[in-house]
Amino acid sequence: GAGVSQTPSNKVTEKGKYVELRCDPISGHTALYWYRQSLGQGPEFLIYFQGTGAADDSGLPNDRFFAVRPEGSVSTLKIQRTERGDSAVYLCASSLLAGGPSNTGELFFGEGSRLTVL
Amino acid sequence: AQSVTQLGSHVSVSEGALVLLRCNYSSSVPPYLFWYVQYPNQGLQLLLKYTSAATLVKGINGFEAEFKKSETSFHLTKPSAHMSDAAEYFCAVTHGSSNTGKLIFGQGTTLQVKP
Repeated sequence: GAGVSQTPSNKVTEKGKYVELRCDPISGHTALYWYRQSLGQGPEFLIYFQGTGAADDSGLPNDRFFAVRPEGSVSTLKIQRTERGDSAVYLCASSLLAGGPSNTGELFFGEGSRLTVL
Repeated sequence: AQSVTQLGSHVSVSEGALVLLRCNYSSSVPPYLFWYVQYPNQGLQLLLKYTSAATLVKGINGFEAEFKKSETSFHLTKPSAHMSDAAEYFCAVTHGSSNTGKLIFGQGTTLQVKP
């Protein structure tokens, strides 16, 4: 598709379960980002990839959260042993590249995956 | 450390009135600053950005923002509000000195436009 695609759009799970959220970035975008948006808050940075490698994962809240991008395109955010506090909208964004004078600074966001942990 | 404060979580204006959404930032290095808009049931999209060129930045849909270093502000304005401007607006600053896309967002301001 033309934009960033995220699946599922909604996910309801029980406390303690494992969850995967998928992001399909815009074709040709080398940089991919995950943000988390809690109710009434702005998005919070989690991790970003430049190609296949995680360039910065300093925003991941703890070791229950992990993300991969094995082929430099689609990315999966994985959450183990979910807790109620993990409930939020998880946003994915992509850009042509990260950093440098030719970077326009524009992130293209998907519509998000709303995670509810009961 | 960088941070962003958006004054007013909700702003209500009449159609045709001036829109002013306030954003103040804190940064230890020259910042890149952004305004993003989120329409209902859509992803965030870039309205405009400041990257150390002109201090008055024009964006899409008639919005503009002025970078004022002395006031550490980057307020968003539009001379005449349209009903279609009703959305949530986020101010953001880059984390650190390079524009890597790692952004710190404000809490957002919901703009309501009354007929």
